[in-house]
Amino acid sequence: DVVLTQTPPTLSATIGQSVSISCRSSQSLLHSNGNTYLNWLLQRPGQPPQLLIYLVSRLESGVPNRFSGSGSGTDFTLKISGVEAEDLGVYYCVQSTHAPWTFGGGTKLELK
Amino acid sequence: VQLVESGGGLVQPGKSLKLSCSASGFTFSSYGMHWIRQAPGKGLDWVAYISSSSGTVYADAVKGRFTISRDNAKNTLYLQLNSLKSEDTAIYYCARSSLQWWGQGVMVTVSS
Repeated sequence: DVVLTQTPPTLSATIGQSVSISCRSSQSLLHSNGNTYLNWLLQRPGQPPQLLIYLVSRLESGVPNRFSGSGSGTDFTLKISGVEAEDLGVYYCVQSTHAPWTFGGGTKLELK
Repeated sequence: VQLVESGGGLVQPGKSLKLSCSASGFTFSSYGMHWIRQAPGKGLDWVAYISSSSGTVYADAVKGRFTISRDNAKNTLYLQLNSLKSEDTAIYYCARSSLQWWGQGVMVTVSS
């Protein structure tokens, strides 16, 4: 199975600060069809996860453009340009290039 | 779009349980669906997927014990959980294929 390693496990930030989360895969997530199926989710406390980014860098409808995704192959990054209070929670990367789908271990974003 | 899970509860080890996920607001038969779980205080764990044509994929941890199915006439997704173990204790979420939509989740507790 594909292993996704997220770093850091915990991230402390002040409001307005820009932060990045890394997701590294144990194998390339480039599908034979040319797409890279790497998504980012945010789970706020007590809520189900919500989709932020799909196909590495495409912003889900309704998600603020302070969120951006980048990367290719095995290395991916989620960046938040100016953290807001509503961004606090746990971020997960998830891949669906290879069955079974797998999630990263999560990165908890908290206020400093 | 709305996804509503039901059927959770407290069950003894070795027993069975059947979860349901009622879908509305979209053409259910056209989409693949997932079950994803989250143990208390832990990260997300993909469980199973069923395609729009009813092809299925399972995580190794549940293969042979859990069965995912769907009834397109009832717009309902199911997860049959057999031979339950304490490590199956989790919130179980249903989600639409691209993880764009999630239910609120249903708690399954396996304990004697």
